[in-house]
Amino acid sequence: AQTVTQSQPEMSVQEAETVTLSCTYDTSESDYYLFWYKQPPSRQMILVIRQEAYKQQNATENRFSVNFQKAAKSFSLKISDSQLGDAAMYFCAYGRGGANSKLTFGKGITLSVRP
Amino acid sequence: DGGITQSPKYLFRKEGQNVTLSCEQNLNHDAMYWYRQDPGQGLRLIYYSQIVNDFQKGDIAEGYSVSREKKESFPLTVTSAQKNPTAFYLCASSPFGTSGHNEQFFGPGTRLTVL
Repeated sequence: AQTVTQSQPEMSVQEAETVTLSCTYDTSESDYYLFWYKQPPSRQMILVIRQEAYKQQNATENRFSVNFQKAAKSFSLKISDSQLGDAAMYFCAYGRGGANSKLTFGKGITLSVRP
Repeated sequence: DGGITQSPKYLFRKEGQNVTLSCEQNLNHDAMYWYRQDPGQGLRLIYYSQIVNDFQKGDIAEGYSVSREKKESFPLTVTSAQKNPTAFYLCASSPFGTSGHNEQFFGPGTRLTVL
């Protein structure tokens, strides 16, 4: 079974600085998808970024980028120029896609942003 | 506006009673999911359905039941057999089989408290 591990339960970053959130996963598959979701205090889950395993290029969405290391099964999220609105829980998730639509989520990391 | 609605936002139940949580989507998604979120546990899959009139157990299905009579609706019943039902419940939906990544879209959640 696939597992997703987020080993850091909490992190803190100074406003305008850069922070990296770690995620590792375990799978025997070669084709899959990885996601980072954000859950702010409102508890509404929001997709931050998505990475296809067959793509070597790391995904980027504005201030958010990933470092995808397929061989190491590592998928970290980098937040640049951190803003107060980035304070939230962040979940890493794994999915096979296609006919298997389930996602497996990590336990999440709480990010706080210091003004 | 397309999206997912969950009702009610807060729900209180007496011990020993069954209660049904509502989830509706107008995104024309085939697949729908129910997750339970507890502090420090991340999101755990209760049930999912990839097509009308069909559903599968997730990782923690005991004490829960679902139905999928319509594409847009996937209600979750928390039965009296669920030993510790107090939690935050999230409903999600995704396209199924039509695109590779099957990104999931989430509702705002229901907080269930057993008194």
